[in-house]
Amino acid sequence: QVQLVQSGAEVKKPGASVKVSCKASGYTFTGYYMHWVRQAPGQGLEWMGWINPNSGGTNYAQKFQGRVTMTRDTSISTAYMELSRLRSDDTAVYYCVHDSSGYPGYWGQGTLVTVSS
Amino acid sequence: SYELTQPPSVSVSPGQTARITCSGDALPKKYAYWYQQKSGQAPVLVIYEDSKRPSGIPERFSGSSSGTMATLTISGAQVEDEADYYCYSTDSSGNLWVFGGGTKLTVL
Repeated sequence: QVQLVQSGAEVKKPGASVKVSCKASGYTFTGYYMHWVRQAPGQGLEWMGWINPNSGGTNYAQKFQGRVTMTRDTSISTAYMELSRLRSDDTAVYYCVHDSSGYPGYWGQGTLVTVSS
Repeated sequence: SYELTQPPSVSVSPGQTARITCSGDALPKKYAYWYQQKSGQAPVLVIYEDSKRPSGIPERFSGSSSGTMATLTISGAQVEDEADYYCYSTDSSGNLWVFGGGTKLTVL
């Protein structure tokens, strides 16, 4: 059974960086892309990009290019999303999402990132 | 950039049929998927590949797609179906994930 377990909530100051982890189990980690999707309070779902855990290749949404870095550690089946130069409007729940052949299949439980001075 | 457009809200009485639409230029060539999200929870897939229903999803949920519009239909909506619903698809290249803005379904 596919499971994605994310790291805990974070509180950061404006201008700082945050790194969220997502530990995968129940499937071959390198066999499926991992995406990151965020949701600001009371807002909709916003796709941030993906990482190919096999090659490490990435594709970021234009909005986040230059601020987001997605990496992985295949030895522990874990994907990471780091967002830099945080602003108050980056306050959101961040989800890692298993790419089930071209669509969002399994979701992590979400990680709340709060950006506040 | 590519966009999927949904109505912000839909309201029905219990037992009525709720229809939520999603429009996008690439939908004639790309599948639509539908997700249900209840407060404080991660989204749950209710329809995939335009009209298929995952196991465990009630039969009252159905989907269709024609031209540039996909539709989620809930036949005989129940109070427990109150939630936000999001359509999902990809752009024409298939590389970019896109979500609709979401539709709040009220059943009362």
